[in-house]
Amino acid sequence: ETGVTQTPRHLVMGMTNKKSLKCEQHLGHNAMYWYKQSAKKPLELMFVYSLEERVENNSVPSRFSPECPNSSHLFLHLHTLQPEDSALYLCASSQELAVQNEQFFGPGTRLTVL
Amino acid sequence: AQSVTQPDIHITVSEGASLELRCNYSYGATPYLFWYVQSPGQGLQLLLKYFSGDTLVQGIKGFEAEFKRSQSSFNLRKPSVHWSDAAEYFCAVGTYNQGGKLIFGQGTELSVKP
Repeated sequence: ETGVTQTPRHLVMGMTNKKSLKCEQHLGHNAMYWYKQSAKKPLELMFVYSLEERVENNSVPSRFSPECPNSSHLFLHLHTLQPEDSALYLCASSQELAVQNEQFFGPGTRLTVL
Repeated sequence: AQSVTQPDIHITVSEGASLELRCNYSYGATPYLFWYVQSPGQGLQLLLKYFSGDTLVQGIKGFEAEFKRSQSSFNLRKPSVHWSDAAEYFCAVGTYNQGGKLIFGQGTELSVKP
């Protein structure tokens, strides 16, 4: 595997379910990001981790819970979601947490909340 | 407030024609500017970036962009579009003191007519 991978690619869940999204980067990067991409809206930065420490939390509802056990893996735990949470969730990584560093994106997880 | 505007939601061009995608930003500090492309079912890929120096920057796939500080613009251009360029294009801006945090525009969807 190369680059940034995300699993699953598609997920359908009910509002009472608990599920997790997984992201793995094979680039040796130290910073990882979760973004939400809704139709016809700008990408929304949700969480940022640098060296496994959370450094950004953009007022994301508590029903989204991130976890970064090591610099290669990032999870987004989901529980009691709402239909408006349906979106494409993108993971990205960069060498360091610096604006000059290119962010490499995974293909995303398409989430549908029923 | 910081913002990025892509005025065109959807553009259609004929294959072989020239292309210009517009991006305007509102930022108090010196901006770092990016263009990303997203093909269907894929994550975002960096096309080019501008940090300083020559205001005309070259990127991958034959794209270029010009930074115009007086107009707060960073428009993306390509002299001859190929059918494979059909995708969604995102402009993004960041600043040095905000680490890896990027503000994205809402995107411009490009369709290419044969």
